[in-house]
Amino acid sequence: GENVEQHPSTLSVQEGDSAVIKCTYSDSASNYFPWYKQELGKGPQLIIDIRSNVGEKKDQRIAVTLNKTAKHFSLHITETQPEDSAVYFCAASSTVFSGGYNKLIFGAGTRLAVHP
Amino acid sequence: NAGVTQTPKFRVLKTGQSMTLLCAQDMNHEYMYWYRQDPGMGLRLIHYSVGEGTTAKGEVPDGYNVSRLKKQNFLLGLESAAPSQTSVYFCASSLGGNSYEQYFGPGTRLTVT
Repeated sequence: GENVEQHPSTLSVQEGDSAVIKCTYSDSASNYFPWYKQELGKGPQLIIDIRSNVGEKKDQRIAVTLNKTAKHFSLHITETQPEDSAVYFCAASSTVFSGGYNKLIFGAGTRLAVHP
Repeated sequence: NAGVTQTPKFRVLKTGQSMTLLCAQDMNHEYMYWYRQDPGMGLRLIHYSVGEGTTAKGEVPDGYNVSRLKKQNFLLGLESAAPSQTSVYFCASSLGGNSYEQYFGPGTRLTVT
């Protein structure tokens, strides 16, 4: 079945360093790849997404890259700050039926800790 | 806009009891979803709806039922709770069509003893 693998499961960095989280997906029909940030006790919040017709997208300190041939995509956070500490989830979509619904398959999450 | 809201925030049930979780959105979104989140397993789709009056099964639908009588509300029911349903439940919504972004509520933490 469809699957998204996410690595690493935990990541610890010093403030100011960069952090990279990687995901691979199995469904070659996937065309939408969002990243969510989840802070303790809260729901996931969409932070950046990319579609299959784009190789890279950047928003201030965060960027996402997509390699469709290899079926993997990555989240890059530069100049990390303590408030970046959270659990990050990647997801990949695929069309369930012609009605246009896109089911999201989530990775297991990465717990990022940024130390001052 | 309140976005996506969920009630209750916390609940403890005994095995065999029933309950309903309520999700409401004020963004006029067509699609709504119920997920459960368990440690180390990400979010898994329970049921979803692509419009008022419609529902469909997701990845882990067993033991749950849903209803979407109004566009803004999506209810998740547990008829006979089991300890395996101890989890954090999240509701999400999206505009639909070519807009794929899903927006999540704050979650409901359910414990079944």
